[in-house]
Amino acid sequence: AQSVTQPDIHITVSEGASLELRCNYSYGATPYLFWYVQSPGQGLQLLLKYFSGDTLVQGIKGFEAEFKRSQSSFNLRKPSVHWSDAAEYFCAVGPRSNDYKLSFGAGTTVTVRA
Amino acid sequence: DAGVTQSPTHLIKTRGQQVTLRCSPKSGHDTVSWYQQALGQGPQFIFQYYEEEERQRGNFPDRFSGHQFPNYSSELNVNALLLGDSALYLCASSPRQGWNEQFFGPGTRLTVL
Repeated sequence: AQSVTQPDIHITVSEGASLELRCNYSYGATPYLFWYVQSPGQGLQLLLKYFSGDTLVQGIKGFEAEFKRSQSSFNLRKPSVHWSDAAEYFCAVGPRSNDYKLSFGAGTTVTVRA
Repeated sequence: DAGVTQSPTHLIKTRGQQVTLRCSPKSGHDTVSWYQQALGQGPQFIFQYYEEEERQRGNFPDRFSGHQFPNYSSELNVNALLLGDSALYLCASSPRQGWNEQFFGPGTRLTVL
């Protein structure tokens, strides 16, 4: 069964500092991987996705993520955080043929301090 | 180009009642998925509709049912509401080409008292 683990429940970072959010997955095949962001009371916005090819993927809002098959990881990074990046971040795996669902991690809440 | 829309935004019900939530997919999308997001948790897959049929179902009881209409819009129905059904219900749509990417709506916040 597929599963996603986000080890960090809450991260606090200073504005302008770098950010890295961890994501580990368990999946029976080459996964499709996603990072979503959710602002309070809002739906999910796709930040970036990995399907195949280059293991370093660029997304919106200056985010990037690196797929490491050997570590079953897909960590999200941003070099310089802005106050507007305060939100909850979800890593997700799937879907694939005959299993159409996305499986999400529990999320990491990011607080940005001035 | 409108994204995924959901109605209502908020809803308050009492235990034992029934509720219907609605979703209109993004233009050009024909597949709709529903997720339940309890407070402090990641979204959990309820089911997916494609060609007006339930294509896949998650680990939810039969109290949760759905429907997809010919215009691809969808409804989620929950019967005999429990306190534990209080959550944000998210609808996501995807196109036939590029079916592996899902676009989410803003959600419906359901509170069961």
